Amino acid sequence: EAGVAQSPRYKIIEKRQSVAFWCNPISGHATLYWYQQILGQGPKLLIQFQNNGVVDDSQLPKDRFSAERLKGVDSTLKIQPAKLEDSAVYLCASSNGALSSYNEQFFGPGTRLTVL
Amino acid sequence: AQSVAQPEDQVNVAEGNPLTVKCTYSVSGNPYLFWYVQYPNRGLQFLLKYITGDNLVKGSYGFEAEFNKSQTSFHLKKPSALVSDSALYFCAVRDKNRDDKIIFGKGTRLHILP
Repeated sequence: EAGVAQSPRYKIIEKRQSVAFWCNPISGHATLYWYQQILGQGPKLLIQFQNNGVVDDSQLPKDRFSAERLKGVDSTLKIQPAKLEDSAVYLCASSNGALSSYNEQFFGPGTRLTVL
Repeated sequence: AQSVAQPEDQVNVAEGNPLTVKCTYSVSGNPYLFWYVQYPNRGLQFLLKYITGDNLVKGSYGFEAEFNKSQTSFHLKKPSALVSDSALYFCAVRDKNRDDKIIFGKGTRLHILP
């Protein structure tokens, strides 16, 4: 079974530029998550999709971050404009089951973003 | 609000010795508890989880964890450490009774010394 795919793996941009990340979850997984992992910290949930609907975006900085999951499969996360503090690894994960499921999440390799 | 704490930033263990990585949690109801491991330049990998039932949970790569409700802990253990166990370990919790997000601890770096 193919895992969660993410691209690009690395991205370097200057502040105020825009950037987009792509994620392809495991086939059949209804739930998709985007996390931000700052160096030395645990992953912080940015947004959670159930199929193509948003179920939790309470920690997403909506003035600059946006995400979509058209057709309930692939997802993109965008930052516009980027700030220095956005430098982090952006992880995508997927899981099978309902919103409150106890099912484990499967993580992609992440995209390491550096904002200069 | 739910929270999870990993009190040690780093744990050093000699190869062959038993290891413990500590985790304590706080939820208003009953918890789902998870351990994940992160190897360099790779995403997190699921190790094990506690849902209900037996307090001792066995997972991948010989790891196990013990759920202790009175101490609100879910420590990760392994009887005999391998150098290949060196990685970053994350504990996570979700409140079973709420439609709430999973919360990750800050991580503990495990060094197994040859």
